[in-house]
Amino acid sequence: DAGVIQSPRHEVTEMGQEVTLRCKPISGHDYLFWYRQTMMRGLELLIYFNNNVPIDDSGMPEDRFSAKMPNASFSTLKIQPSEPRDSAVYFCASSPLAGAARETQYFGPGTRLLVL
Amino acid sequence: GEDVEQSLFLSVREGDSSVINCTYTDSSSTYLYWYKQEPGAGLQLLTYIFSNMDMKQDQRLTVLLNKKDKHLSLRIADTQTGDSAIYFCAESMDSSYKLIFGSGTRLLVRP
Repeated sequence: DAGVIQSPRHEVTEMGQEVTLRCKPISGHDYLFWYRQTMMRGLELLIYFNNNVPIDDSGMPEDRFSAKMPNASFSTLKIQPSEPRDSAVYFCASSPLAGAARETQYFGPGTRLLVL
Repeated sequence: GEDVEQSLFLSVREGDSSVINCTYTDSSSTYLYWYKQEPGAGLQLLTYIFSNMDMKQDQRLTVLLNKKDKHLSLRIADTQTGDSAIYFCAESMDSSYKLIFGSGTRLLVRP
């Protein structure tokens, strides 16, 4: 299995531009999570999906952030318009529905975003 | 509320044992996890323990869980320079599939 795949790995953009981050979860996993990691705030859960449906988006910082999961193998996190304070590493993780330690999350390599 | 706390930094000599500690607050946690993050990489699951267990051993890793004190520890035997990384403790939220992560402990292994 290729694991969780994220793209791009690095993104540099200017303030005000739209940014789209992409994630492909592990095949067969029913849960998908988006996290943001910064030095100041550590690892924050932004939103998670179950069977493509958003379950909890209470961690999404503001309306500039949106996430979709159109099918079981793809999710996007969009920031529009982006701001310098959005600079962070964004991780996607997926988790199986059942089995031992079903809450175990498997992380992608992350997208390092820099907003100038 | 939910909170997971870890010390920020640990330095050990190569070959020694490392012990990374974590305290959590949610007594209803089902599983507790240890993740490892190397520079520029994502979080890698190291091991987990079910809340009805006291100890789990996996090669060089030993996890101890004290439910009474809500204390979790990760012991790495014969620590190697390749073990230098940030280690995150996490607890699962009962039936919500959310994980609450600590702030991470940076382990530095000196030659």
